[in-house]
Amino acid sequence: DTEVTQTPKHLVMGMTNKKSLKCEQHMGHRAMYWYKQKAKKPPELMFVYSYEKLSINESVPSRFSPECPNSSLLNLHLHALQPEDSALYLCASSQVTGYGYTFGSGTRLTVV
Amino acid sequence: AQKVTQAQTEISVVEKEDVTLDCVYETRDTTYYLFWYKQPPSGELVFLIRRNSFDEQNEISGRYSWNFQKSTSSFNFTITASQVVDSAVYFCALSEAREGSGGSNYKLTFGKGTLLTVNP
Repeated sequence: DTEVTQTPKHLVMGMTNKKSLKCEQHMGHRAMYWYKQKAKKPPELMFVYSYEKLSINESVPSRFSPECPNSSLLNLHLHALQPEDSALYLCASSQVTGYGYTFGSGTRLTVV
Repeated sequence: AQKVTQAQTEISVVEKEDVTLDCVYETRDTTYYLFWYKQPPSGELVFLIRRNSFDEQNEISGRYSWNFQKSTSSFNFTITASQVVDSAVYFCALSEAREGSGGSNYKLTFGKGTLLTVNP
C-alpha cells in the first residue's frame, strides 16, 4: 500500500462548527505532515509529527488542532474557523529520513 | 533559509511542442532533496521525481526529462511532445532537514508553481 488516504474529500462547515479531517497511511512512515494550500498558491507546511509526537508547528492558529493517535493516523481538528481558512488541506507522510514523501489527495474545505 | 524560484508563472504551448519548466533553488545545506510535482485541476499532488543533492545525473522517464545542475542551483523539467493531458500546475520543491522537538524533520518548500496549458 503506497497511498495516503484523506477523508472527507470535501467539507463545508459553518464558523461555529467543529469538524475533523482524517489522514491514514500504511507505509510504515513515522513522519506525517499537514499542509494548507490556498487557491493559486503553493502548499504551505502547518504541522509535522515524528514518531507520533508533534515536532513542528508553523505558528498555526489554535483553531487548528492536530492529533496523531497512532503511527498510521493523523487528524486535524477544526473549531471556530474563519472563511479565510477555506483551502485544500493536504496530508503527507514520509520516512523520518524524508524518503518516500507521499501526499494524499486532500480535503477541500469551505468555511461559510 | 531555503527558497525555490519558478520564474515562469504561466506557459501556453500547442500540442506536440517541447516545453521546459525552470526551477532555481537556494540552500545552505550540502544534503538536500529536490522534487517535481504535478497538480491537475482535481487537486492531488502527483509525484514526478525526487533527486538528492549528490546525484547530478540527468533522468529521463518517457516524455519527461530532468536536468539537475548544482553549479547553477537549477533543476529544470522538460516535457517532450507535450499533450493536452500535461496541462496542470507544476511545482518544484526543496526538502531540507529541519530540527524540531522530535529531532530532524523534512519540510518541503515549494516554488510558486508554473501553470502549463497545452492546447490542441
